Amino acid sequence: DAGVIQSPRHEVTEMGQEVTLRCKPISGHDYLFWYRQTMMRGLELLIYFNNNVPIDDSGMPEDRFSAKMPNASFSTLKIQPSEPRDSAVYFCASSYHQGAGTEAFFGQGTRLTVV
Amino acid sequence: QKEVEQNSGPLSVPEGAIASLNCTYSDRVSQSFFWYRQYSGKSPELIMSIYSNGDKEDGRFTAQLNKASQYVSLLIRDSQPSDSATYLCAVNIGGSYIPTFGRGTSLIVHP
Repeated sequence: DAGVIQSPRHEVTEMGQEVTLRCKPISGHDYLFWYRQTMMRGLELLIYFNNNVPIDDSGMPEDRFSAKMPNASFSTLKIQPSEPRDSAVYFCASSYHQGAGTEAFFGQGTRLTVV
Repeated sequence: QKEVEQNSGPLSVPEGAIASLNCTYSDRVSQSFFWYRQYSGKSPELIMSIYSNGDKEDGRFTAQLNKASQYVSLLIRDSQPSDSATYLCAVNIGGSYIPTFGRGTSLIVHP
């Protein structure tokens, strides 16, 4: 498997614009996570899905953020409108639930810069 | 109290020494523990997982878990400059399948 695939790798956008980040999880994995990493706050969980269903979005900072998983092989994280404080690296990760062995594997991340 | 705590470092060790990285967690029912390595500008990479009390060895890496003390550590033997990175501790808090991460410890191995 190619691992978790994210696109784009880098995104520079102007404040107020809509941004869409994309993720393809590892085939067969039933959990998908969206994390955001900043120097100030470290790696924060934004939302996670189990079998394509959003389970907990309490980490989503504001209503400007939304996430979908229309099928087992694709998820999006959308920010509308974007603000400079949204600048961060956004990671998608996936895992397979098998007893205690639920290691999460990360994509390469999307570095978002909002100017 | 944060759920997963790590000393941010940096931890500086000479090449060939043992590097010891520590992590504490807040929830006693947590069952799954992970160490990730993250190079600057890269994504976290899983290097060790541990589920039972005691030691687990994999090459130069040893993970140690003490559930009574809510403490997990990572030892890196014969440290190399290529081990210089940030090491993230992750815990599936409360028996969930959701990794919660510490802030990470920066390790510098100098020649």
